[in-house]
Amino acid sequence: ETGVTQTPRHLVMGMTNKKSLKCEQHLGHNAMYWYKQSAKKPLELMFVYNFKEQTENNSVPSRFSPECPNSSHLFLHLHTLQPEDSALYLCASSQEWSGQGAIRSGNTIYFGEGSWLTVV
Amino acid sequence: GQQLNQSPQSMFIQEGEDVSMNCTSSSIFNTWLWYKQDPGEGPVLLIALYKAGELTSNGRLTAQFGITRKDSFLNISASIPSDVGIYFCAGQPYGGSQGNLIFGKGTKLSVKP
Repeated sequence: ETGVTQTPRHLVMGMTNKKSLKCEQHLGHNAMYWYKQSAKKPLELMFVYNFKEQTENNSVPSRFSPECPNSSHLFLHLHTLQPEDSALYLCASSQEWSGQGAIRSGNTIYFGEGSWLTVV
Repeated sequence: GQQLNQSPQSMFIQEGEDVSMNCTSSSIFNTWLWYKQDPGEGPVLLIALYKAGELTSNGRLTAQFGITRKDSFLNISASIPSDVGIYFCAGQPYGGSQGNLIFGKGTKLSVKP
């Protein structure tokens, strides 16, 4: 139990469906992240939210739409996805995100268990 | 873009053996992190390194932040069956944002048949 909870753990959706992934962190952190993990590729950062404000969008297609209503919750809304979007989507959090500058001790990133997404 | 070269890609272990893996880069990193990921789960942080030359242990795990700031290694001593999984290194590039970690492709540890 890392303190970062993701639901659903598994999701199968058609290309015309609209679905959402949910993440909740119980660590009192202020920064939350979405990462994508595809087979045989390194983890890729998608979005960063710091104090509910989006601070990074790593050139993610608009069919992925994040939402951060408060510092504890993060959503990833999905619509008109493609089969190549099938992957493990990981939510993560850290104490804060202060832009450039070294990660300080105690501000490390903690991951949730992930949501396996299959687009058919 | 920046890349981390993590090696070996996979290895087989026998219980009791010591294991070593490393990550290298052509550019400088501020922070090195080592994660373990079990099948169907998210990565779990094992060790975080914040200073060049830093050597940190977590039980049977030891990791070091290379002096050149371009590499890091992870050692596992006296391996046990539950050490099986995929180990990822991750680094925060110098001048990069905190969230934009660069991940290695992982080292998969399996038990020798």
